[in-house]
Amino acid sequence: EIVLTQSPATLSLSPGERATLSCRASQSVATYSAWYQQKPGQAPRLLFYDASNRATGIPARFSGSGSGTDFTLTISSLEPEDSAVYYCQQRNSWPYTFGQGTKLEIK
Amino acid sequence: EVQLAESGGGLVQPGWSLRLSCAASGFTFDDYAMHWVRQVPGKGLEWVSGISWDSGTTGYADSVRGRFSISRDDAKNFLYLQMHDLRPEDTALYYCAKDKRSGSAAYYFDYWGQGALVTVSS
Repeated sequence: EIVLTQSPATLSLSPGERATLSCRASQSVATYSAWYQQKPGQAPRLLFYDASNRATGIPARFSGSGSGTDFTLTISSLEPEDSAVYYCQQRNSWPYTFGQGTKLEIK
Repeated sequence: EVQLAESGGGLVQPGWSLRLSCAASGFTFDDYAMHWVRQVPGKGLEWVSGISWDSGTTGYADSVRGRFSISRDDAKNFLYLQMHDLRPEDTALYYCAKDKRSGSAAYYFDYWGQGALVTVSS
């Protein structure tokens, strides 16, 4: 099973700052990775798939990158509504797994 | 507008069975693979099961294989998850999720329901 390790576990930043979230896979997943955003009491929302393809309706301040074992979600200028838990996921190898999440807090 | 609405959750004792349903609307249901993903409250996400657009292929996480069964009714636009021999570790919020790609599954989930809570406890 491919293990996805996200870092940091918690990130606390101010509006307007840049956020960089990391996801590392225990073995290569090529570009078969995704990012999801989950706000309290809500279902997850797909942000990116195939590492860097933005899902429908996702603001341009969000970007996804990476390949192989290292992936990054960047939010260029934080808005208060970006406060959420962010999960990465891989679909390269069965079973398809998620990371444990990074909690992003906006000060 | 894509909508997914789960039902059938509840409190059951270990060893009991339960069937979850997911009513889908707003898209051509039989064009897409569908999935169940669960989340222990306050914890992370776990893909549980998926079914191809034509019901020809089903898949299960190791943790549920042999106990859970996924199916779909394309005439009614419903997805189901039949759960047998439930265990306390199956306690979670179960989400119905639509595959992002029509036809062959991509195993990315672009629409989710609000979840059905299953609690397994004596």
